[in-house]
Amino acid sequence: AQKITQTQPGMFVQEKEAVTLDCTYDTSDPSYGLFWYKQPSSGEMIFLIYQGSYDQQNATEGRYSLNFQKARKSANLVISASQLGDSAMYFCGNGGTSYGKLTFGQGTILTVHP
Amino acid sequence: DAGVTQSPTHLIKTRGQQVTLRCSPKSGHDTVSWYQQALGQGPQFIFQYYEEEERQRGNFPDRFSGHQFPNYSSELNVNALLLGDSALYLCASSRSSPGGYTEAFFGQGTRLTVV
Repeated sequence: AQKITQTQPGMFVQEKEAVTLDCTYDTSDPSYGLFWYKQPSSGEMIFLIYQGSYDQQNATEGRYSLNFQKARKSANLVISASQLGDSAMYFCGNGGTSYGKLTFGQGTILTVHP
Repeated sequence: DAGVTQSPTHLIKTRGQQVTLRCSPKSGHDTVSWYQQALGQGPQFIFQYYEEEERQRGNFPDRFSGHQFPNYSSELNVNALLLGDSALYLCASSRSSPGGYTEAFFGQGTRLTVV
């Protein structure tokens, strides 16, 4: 069974500052993937970043980076130089390899202040 | 290139009725998954279709059923609607890639309200 835990219901950050959104996971699969999606108020889920469990380096995509600590079972999202448009709900999740379901956490609402 | 499209965007139904939601996957994608997202919660996996068959299913009752057509589009049917079925229903499409990661693209969802 897969379980994703996001312990921060809401986070606030000043524009242009960096912010870290926490995520811990639990899985019995020997190989797995971790990812983050952004969900604006429009409802669409927007893919941000993916990390494979056997990837040697932490994934980065523009201003997004994933701080993957396998021993601690954590996959935190770091957003650098926050922008007002980053205000949204952020979901951490597990899955995506080959085929199969995606398992999401409860989400963290990020608010960026000017 | 159109992304994942879902219809309708909003829907209001009465308890006990039946509803059908539709999804067209992104071009080149052959796998469609459906998710239910209650207010303030993360999306919950309902089921996944590949080659017109249900490949995986989450913890949802048989009232939830689906179909995939030869053109890879998909429908989600919910019978005997309950108030608790009110949620945002998200469709995600991906390209089957055995042994490797395949990114899932989501539509904007159908907001279903059961009254």
